[in-house]
Amino acid sequence: SQTIHQWPATLVQPVGSPLSLECTVEGTSNPNLYWYRQAAGRGLQLLFYSVGIGQISSEVPQNLSASRPQDRQFILSSKKLLLSDSGFYLCAWSYYSSGNTIYFGEGSWLTVV
Amino acid sequence: GIQVEQSPPDLILQEGANSTLRCNFSDSVNNLQWFHQNPWGQLINLFYIPSGTKQNGRLSATTVATERYSLLYISSSQTTDSGVYFCAVARQGGSEKLVFGKGTKLTVNP
Repeated sequence: SQTIHQWPATLVQPVGSPLSLECTVEGTSNPNLYWYRQAAGRGLQLLFYSVGIGQISSEVPQNLSASRPQDRQFILSSKKLLLSDSGFYLCAWSYYSSGNTIYFGEGSWLTVV
Repeated sequence: GIQVEQSPPDLILQEGANSTLRCNFSDSVNNLQWFHQNPWGQLINLFYIPSGTKQNGRLSATTVATERYSLLYISSSQTTDSGVYFCAVARQGGSEKLVFGKGTKLTVNP
């Protein structure tokens, strides 16, 4: 069966520090991968998605970036965090074709202080 | 872009009551999913339902794609049903870039 893991689960970072959140998927190959953010309130916003290694599409301009160094690995990064980067970050995957269920990881709580 | 509206924003029930949550969307979709976000933040898949009707235990969902809405039914609600329910859609012809509604916060009291 397929599983998705992301880490760390919780982190508190000072303003201006770097960020690295990592996500891996097991049990499938060539998945579509996504990073979402849930800020204050309830809505989820798509940040990045990837259909293959090295292929990253950004949905929202910001100081975050994403990379996909391996088929089932997706990394969310920042060189210098802002207070507004605080939130709940969720990695997700779907099969590589249109019209498929998307499955989410456990999420990472980021607090920038 | 596509708009997703969920109603009601908040719902408070007594245990055992039934409820209907609604999701309206503004464009044709080929992906519609319902999620339950638990108190720990995890999003649990409930239904993948771009059209038609599905049932899973006390939960069922119906999507009328031609009229651009979906309904989630919860019967005999339990306190463990509490949380936020999200509807998310992806537009026809696009990739699986889900656009989420703002959710319905359900509180089931014992």
